[in-house]
Amino acid sequence: QVQLVQSGAEVKKPGASVKVSCKAYGYTFTGYYLHWVRQAPGQGLEWMGWINPKSGVTKYAQKFQAWVTMTRDTSISTVYMELIRLRSDDTAVYYCARETRDVYNRPTFDIWGQGTLVTVSS
Amino acid sequence: DIQMTQSPSSLSASVGDRVTITCRASQSIISYLNWYQQKPGKAPKLLIYAASSLQSGVPSRFSGSGLGTDFTLTISSLQPEDFATYYCQQSYNSPYTFGQGTKVEIK
Repeated sequence: QVQLVQSGAEVKKPGASVKVSCKAYGYTFTGYYLHWVRQAPGQGLEWMGWINPKSGVTKYAQKFQAWVTMTRDTSISTVYMELIRLRSDDTAVYYCARETRDVYNRPTFDIWGQGTLVTVSS
Repeated sequence: DIQMTQSPSSLSASVGDRVTITCRASQSIISYLNWYQQKPGKAPKLLIYAASSLQSGVPSRFSGSGLGTDFTLTISSLQPEDFATYYCQQSYNSPYTFGQGTKVEIK
């Protein structure tokens, strides 16, 4: 079964860092880019960036460029998203999502992880 | 960045109603527009891609249309399981921005 399974909820203090994992099942891990999207409580969806699991190449939204790092471990079909210097407004559910290409060769997100709640509080 | 604006922000409707949600882009995105459905506590689910193509497994009561800057998602006959929040997303360029969401509630 094709699925993405994320790590569990985290509680962090301001200034700390967090690393969320996303493990792929049921498909060729290196065949699809993986994206990260976050959602603050009661708010909308915010795209953070992507990683190419085959090459490790990444692209981040400019907003996150200085403080997010996406990596992967192909031996265990897992990608990671690390955020540093956490602030209270980083409290959100973080999702990984698999990219597929549509008829125009544009990205769509067809498979999503279940989400990981990261709470930043002193 | 391309701004995506949905309207309305919320609506109340009854089972069987026809529902239309609008999404407007701040510049032309051709047909590079996706729609997602999200239920409380769950991840988003892809409904429509490339403005009008139905994702596999999605009921045919969902349809999408539009070109350029103006797009619509239509639910032809609202079912109890359709009460959720709907998001549009542009795939024209990164950052792949989303609309703010439209919450469909039971009247």
